[in-house]
Amino acid sequence: GENVEQHPSTLSVQEGDSAVIKCTYSDSASNYFPWYKQELGKRPQLIIDIRSNVGEKKDQRIAVTLNKTAKHFSLHITETQPEDSAVYFCAARRSTSYGKLTFGQGTILTVHP
Amino acid sequence: NAGVTQTPKFQVLKTGQSMTLQCAQDMNHEYMSWYRQDPGMGLRLIHYSVGAGITDQGEVPNGYNVSRSTTEDFPLRLLSAAPSQTSVYFCASSYSLGQLTPNTEAFFGQGTRLTVV
Repeated sequence: GENVEQHPSTLSVQEGDSAVIKCTYSDSASNYFPWYKQELGKRPQLIIDIRSNVGEKKDQRIAVTLNKTAKHFSLHITETQPEDSAVYFCAARRSTSYGKLTFGQGTILTVHP
Repeated sequence: NAGVTQTPKFQVLKTGQSMTLQCAQDMNHEYMSWYRQDPGMGLRLIHYSVGAGITDQGEVPNGYNVSRSTTEDFPLRLLSAAPSQTSVYFCASSYSLGQLTPNTEAFFGQGTRLTVV
């Protein structure tokens, strides 16, 4: 089955700096890669996703890049703000694996004012 | 618009007890899943369903049962609770835009924090 590795496990940055979180996956048939943000005590919520026919996707201060050859994808947050502090999860899924997301271990991002 | 609703939010069980975690969605989504979240391990898939009457095992199914008699409901049953099942449980639902488009966003419930003593 699919295996997703996520690094780093914790990341501490100053407000205004950029943050990068990286994930690798094992199943070459995976073609959907979402990123979820989970605030303390809350449910995970989708912040951005990318499909395998796209190499990069941006949404304001957030961007995701995908390298299918190397089987890795990354989340980039620019101009970080204290409210970006949360746990971030990457995930991967085959298009035919309905309802089956494989998650990375999570990254605790702390943005210091 | 309630989305995905889980009950209860908190539960304490004694070892050996059984219980059912409830999950309901009002978005007419085809796909529903149960995950458990443990520190440092992300979310791991327990069971999932691609439609009413169809369920399958995920990564960590042992000790849990599911059924899907309606599109809206997907309960998770703990048969005989063990301390190793202490965790936060999330139910999620999603839908498909068709054969040519990969599945879309998974919507999560607010979670059930379960403690087995």
